Amino acid sequence: DGGITQSPKYLFRKEGQNVTLSCEQNLNHDAMYWYRQDPGQGLRLIYYSQIVNDFQKGDIAEGYSVSREKKESFPLTVTSAQKNPTAFYLCASRSGAGYGYTFGSGTRLTVV
Amino acid sequence: SQQGEEDPQALSIQEGENATMNCSYKTSINNLQWYRQNSGRGLVHLILIRSNEREKHSGRLRVTLDTSKKSSSLLITASRAADTASYFCATVQNSGGSNYKLTFGKGTLLTVNP
Repeated sequence: DGGITQSPKYLFRKEGQNVTLSCEQNLNHDAMYWYRQDPGQGLRLIYYSQIVNDFQKGDIAEGYSVSREKKESFPLTVTSAQKNPTAFYLCASRSGAGYGYTFGSGTRLTVV
Repeated sequence: SQQGEEDPQALSIQEGENATMNCSYKTSINNLQWYRQNSGRGLVHLILIRSNEREKHSGRLRVTLDTSKKSSSLLITASRAADTASYFCATVQNSGGSNYKLTFGKGTLLTVNP
């Protein structure tokens, strides 16, 4: 079955650590996106990538980094510069501007 | 920045009733989409309406779009307990060249009581 896989489902980070969230899709979609969701809030865009080896900052990119070396993969690194990283992180992809987005099941990151 | 704002923030109805959620947005859009999220899960795409469309149906869902008022509504008819979830509207804007980004509102929490 085609879809988006996010891993891990739960992640715990110590203060000062960098952590990387995985997002893999087998839908052959060009564009991929990372969103952050805080309790009771909507989704805010962190980074997005329209094609391999290219990505743009979203609305809240500070403290995050991404790479897009393969079409299938768009990992997100939460760096120690992100002061409040505890949140639910969602990865999405789409095939074209006129199509809906497919979301992964999310990674819940907690700082301990 | 948030583009869409849903109204109401929370809605509680009885099974069998209709549920209407509204969304307003600020800037011109390519299309508008509605998503559903069950607690702690990813989002599921429900329906997309293009900027040149005024109404769209999918099963028990009916979406309208009024670009002059920059607003949309989602109607769920004959609601079921399984419809209990958060519903988000999201707008697609062209951010330059072939770049498109999807911007979400804060969502409406729908509770359908059996």
